[in-house]
Amino acid sequence: QQPVQSPQAVILREGEDAVINCSSSKALYSVHWYRQKHGEAPVFLMILLKGGEQKGHDKISASFNEKKQQSSLYLTASQLSYSGTYFCGSTNNAGNMLTFGGGTRLMVKP
Amino acid sequence: DTGVSQNPRHKITKRGQNVTFRCDPISEHNRLYWYRQTLGQGPEFLTYFQNEAQLEKSRLLSDRFSAERPKGSFSTLEIQRTEQGDSAMYLCASSLGDRGAFFGQGTRLTVV
Repeated sequence: QQPVQSPQAVILREGEDAVINCSSSKALYSVHWYRQKHGEAPVFLMILLKGGEQKGHDKISASFNEKKQQSSLYLTASQLSYSGTYFCGSTNNAGNMLTFGGGTRLMVKP
Repeated sequence: DTGVSQNPRHKITKRGQNVTFRCDPISEHNRLYWYRQTLGQGPEFLTYFQNEAQLEKSRLLSDRFSAERPKGSFSTLEIQRTEQGDSAMYLCASSLGDRGAFFGQGTRLTVV
């Protein structure tokens, strides 16, 4: 069962913040976040393996709430380079099958 | 190592023909995934290998699709009797255990 993302699209001005949510009706074993720019392959951002884990680099961070079966990606002080489609991926309880949500399209304007 | 490599990058085929795509993963990665992606959609899971064993296959995948990963190295995805609905980008990704998956540039299939 693939995770569900919200919102489907976000438009920001440079410097603004955004939150992208990912949830599942089934238990999440791990959560992955990827960014895909138009015409390119998805690029791995980070993985969260434990409930409650938070990770981040630069101004992009994520949290994982295992009990609520959801994860959130936080983009702060957005830059033009953040534009793209963000996908969350989750694995099943065996940590195997990696399935993706439908994506959140993020557009950062000057 | 230059990452995950997929060949060919583009394939145009006539309906009813068979096509085969190749994926060369990052050398030390034991997991290999195949996905299909159409415009505006997320990658749709097709199948997954751990080393040479095919552990998962999407129930949505018709019998016309088959994948192999001999010796746990490169993998091939074959589509038999192609249909126009098979037109999509086919992505391969590899990972070391349950860590971040790294994607190839994909093979764009157009069935005419």
